[in-house]
Amino acid sequence: EVQLVGSGGGLVKPGGSLRLSCKASGFTFSAYSMNWLRQAPGKGLEWVSSISSTGSYIYYGDSVKGRFTISRDSVWNSLYLQMNRLRAEDTAVYFCARGDCSGGTCRLDFWGQGILVTVSS
Amino acid sequence: SYVLTQPPSLSVAPGRTAIITCGGNKIGSSSVHWYQQRPGQAPVLVIYNDRDRPSGIPERVSGSKSGNTATLTISRVEAGDEADYYCQVWDTSRDHSYVFGTGTKVTV
Repeated sequence: EVQLVGSGGGLVKPGGSLRLSCKASGFTFSAYSMNWLRQAPGKGLEWVSSISSTGSYIYYGDSVKGRFTISRDSVWNSLYLQMNRLRAEDTAVYFCARGDCSGGTCRLDFWGQGILVTVSS
Repeated sequence: SYVLTQPPSLSVAPGRTAIITCGGNKIGSSSVHWYQQRPGQAPVLVIYNDRDRPSGIPERVSGSKSGNTATLTISRVEAGDEADYYCQVWDTSRDHSYVFGTGTKVTV
């Protein structure tokens, strides 16, 4: 059974940092791209960042570029999101999700349970 | 940035059919995927590649596409179908990003 278990959220002051983790199990972690998405309170889904299966290709959304860093560890089957210089508008539930890419498209076929991040003084 | 437009809300009686649209000028040349998000839960993929269902998704959930509009149809709607629904395409022209629709809240 595919499982993605997120951790590391919490309350942080503006300008602060936080590191999110996502532990994967039930599939060959090194064979899939992985992603972070977020959902601000009462809002829709927003893509944050993606990392390829080997870690060679990394992409960020404009709203987090230069502040967030995505990484992965195939020994620990884990995905990470280092978030620096946090702003109030980064307040959201963050999801990790597995990317399933074929035929020139990608979809998110399994999602973690969500990690709440609150940025407030 | 690329925008996928969905109706904000839809109310449907039990047993009837819910039809959710997703419009955008790249829809015709892209594969469209659909997600269901029940309150307080993570999204679940319900349709991929315009019309394919992942295992475990009932046949009464279907997808289609015509021109620049994709459609998610839920037949014989049940109380458990009450959720937010999002369409999604993968945009290789800009940072290989996942682009989501604005979302539709379905009330049963």
